[in-house]
Amino acid sequence: QQPVQSPQAVILREGEDAVINCSSSKALYSVHWYRQKHGEAPVFLMILLKGGEQKGHEKISASFNEKKQQSSLYLTASQLSYSGTYFCGTGDQYGNKLVFGAGTILRVKS
Amino acid sequence: NAGVTQTPKFRILKIGQSMTLQCTQDMNHNYMYWYRQDPGMGLKLIYYSVGAGITDKGEVPNGYNVSRSTTEDFPLRLELAAPSQTSVYFCASSYSPGLNTEAFFGQGTRLTVV
Repeated sequence: QQPVQSPQAVILREGEDAVINCSSSKALYSVHWYRQKHGEAPVFLMILLKGGEQKGHEKISASFNEKKQQSSLYLTASQLSYSGTYFCGTGDQYGNKLVFGAGTILRVKS
Repeated sequence: NAGVTQTPKFRILKIGQSMTLQCTQDMNHNYMYWYRQDPGMGLKLIYYSVGAGITDKGEVPNGYNVSRSTTEDFPLRLELAAPSQTSVYFCASSYSPGLNTEAFFGQGTRLTVV
């Protein structure tokens, strides 16, 4: 069952912050975050593992709340280059399937 | 290092035709995946493989078949193409079990069925 992402879309001005949420009705064992630019392949941002720490990547960080079965992606002081569609992907307990949410469209305006 | 290579990049099929989408990776990854992405939509898992000779269905397997005879190759077969299979197809691979490592994506195959 695919994870649920919110919001579906968000528009920001440069320098503003955003949060993208990913939740699952099933227990989460790992959460992946990817960004896809229009017409391109998804590109890896980070992985969060059950029992792991919050991860960071430049001004993009993420958290993983196992009890709430949720992960959140935090984009700080957004830049034009952050525009794209963000996907969270979750793995099953066997670590085999990687299933993605429907995506969150992020548009950063100057 | 080529990573994940998909061929062809574009293809137009007529209804009822068949074709094979090729996917090759040179990173010695055991795990490989096929996804489809409809316009403006997310990635749907079609099939996946955890190693040579082992494949399993994903979320939307109907109308597709896969095989994995080698670690490097994971072709996706479309039999009797239908307009509903018009989509962009992405192949991906990853190294570690337990999904502890990132998935690398190919550049996609844009398929139109008319």
